[in-house]
Amino acid sequence: EAGVTQSPRYAVLQEGQAVSFWCDPISGHDTLYWYQQPRDQGPQLLVYFRDEAVIDNSQLPSDRFSAVRPKGTNSTLKIQSAKQGDTATYLCASSRDWGPRNTLYFGAGTRLSVL
Amino acid sequence: QQNVQQSPESLIVPEGARTSLNCTFSDSASQYFWWYRQHSGKAPKALMSIFSNGEKEEGRFTIHLNKASLHFSLHIRDSQPSDSALYLCAVRPNYNVLYFGSGTKLTVEP
Repeated sequence: EAGVTQSPRYAVLQEGQAVSFWCDPISGHDTLYWYQQPRDQGPQLLVYFRDEAVIDNSQLPSDRFSAVRPKGTNSTLKIQSAKQGDTATYLCASSRDWGPRNTLYFGAGTRLSVL
Repeated sequence: QQNVQQSPESLIVPEGARTSLNCTFSDSASQYFWWYRQHSGKAPKALMSIFSNGEKEEGRFTIHLNKASLHFSLHIRDSQPSDSALYLCAVRPNYNVLYFGSGTKLTVEP
């Protein structure tokens, strides 16, 4: 079974630039999550979807961040006008079904540096 | 919002030692608990989960959960250098949101 695929693996930006992260979840997983992981810290939830619907985006830091999952499969997280405080690894995860016992499977992430 | 705390922040142990990692949580209604392991530059991977009070053992790894004290722990028997990683505890208080602690960085020295 293929895992969660994310691209790009790394991104380096100047403040004010925009960037998009792409995620391909495990086939058949209907729930998809985006987490932000600052260096040497735990992942913090940004937004999650069931199929194409946003279930909770209340933790997106600001209106500079947006996320979509238009066909209920792949997803894109976008940062408009990046700031140095956005420097972190952005992790995508997926899980099968809408169940609390289901394990989240993570991709390797996109490591973002904002200079 | 769930508050999940881990201790210690970092730990260095010799190969073969028994290692204990701790996690506390704030929501007494929480029912689902995980430990994840993340090697440097890699994806976090689920190590073990537990959904009821008590202990659960899988190989060299044991989880202990005490909901009344809002505490669960991971114990590693016969620690190996390959166990060196960031260990993340995670709590699911409601149907689908998984909250993580800040992690314990474990180093096992040969």
